[in-house]
Amino acid sequence: SQQGEEDPQALSIQEGENATMNCSYKTSINNLQWYRQNSGRGLVHLILIRSNEREKHSGRLRVTLDTSKKSSSLLITASRAADTASYFCATEEVGGQNFVFGPGTRLSVLP
Amino acid sequence: KAGVTQTPRYLIKTRGQQVTLSCSPISGHRSVSWYQQTPGQGLQFLFEYFSETQRNKGNFPGRFSGRQFSNSRSEMNVSTLELGDSALYLCASSFQGIEQYFGPGTRLTVT
Repeated sequence: SQQGEEDPQALSIQEGENATMNCSYKTSINNLQWYRQNSGRGLVHLILIRSNEREKHSGRLRVTLDTSKKSSSLLITASRAADTASYFCATEEVGGQNFVFGPGTRLSVLP
Repeated sequence: KAGVTQTPRYLIKTRGQQVTLSCSPISGHRSVSWYQQTPGQGLQFLFEYFSETQRNKGNFPGRFSGRQFSNSRSEMNVSTLELGDSALYLCASSFQGIEQYFGPGTRLTVT
């Protein structure tokens, strides 16, 4: 089974609203990253949070990490139609050799 | 800096054939990773090359292979293609092996 599991699988909101996506994982990690993918294209790195960090911000993005619950959340504030995409979390396990991606959350921002 | 480039962008092959995909990383990046993305399995790690050596390998059959050249460009090869190999193949390069920069992908269709 996959290390990261995003929740919800799909999310539909109105422009200007906030969008929150969650990621849960199973084992201890070195870091967790969030990526965005526009339809059928390559992934774009959004933000990285290390295991000793609890919260990071980047523009309209806010990521939290709770290692005790093995979960992370990505908050996009004041969403725009251009934020419509799939969002993936990727974890680097402690002692692991590669990144494991979750199945993703499909976000639709309606104008 | 120019981004990660992948060629070709689209490919149609017949079962039993073989295919070679190419990836040119961002200048200065020595790590190149390959992923397979399908609707059913999501993003799955194939392998990672660093300085011409395979550093990590995912759980794929031996029909999937790769290599990296001295200029960091990488190729992956799939032999004896099966219908299930139809997917978006993504290449990602990295400077320090953490934050990955993805190419646009090669869409492979096996008929």
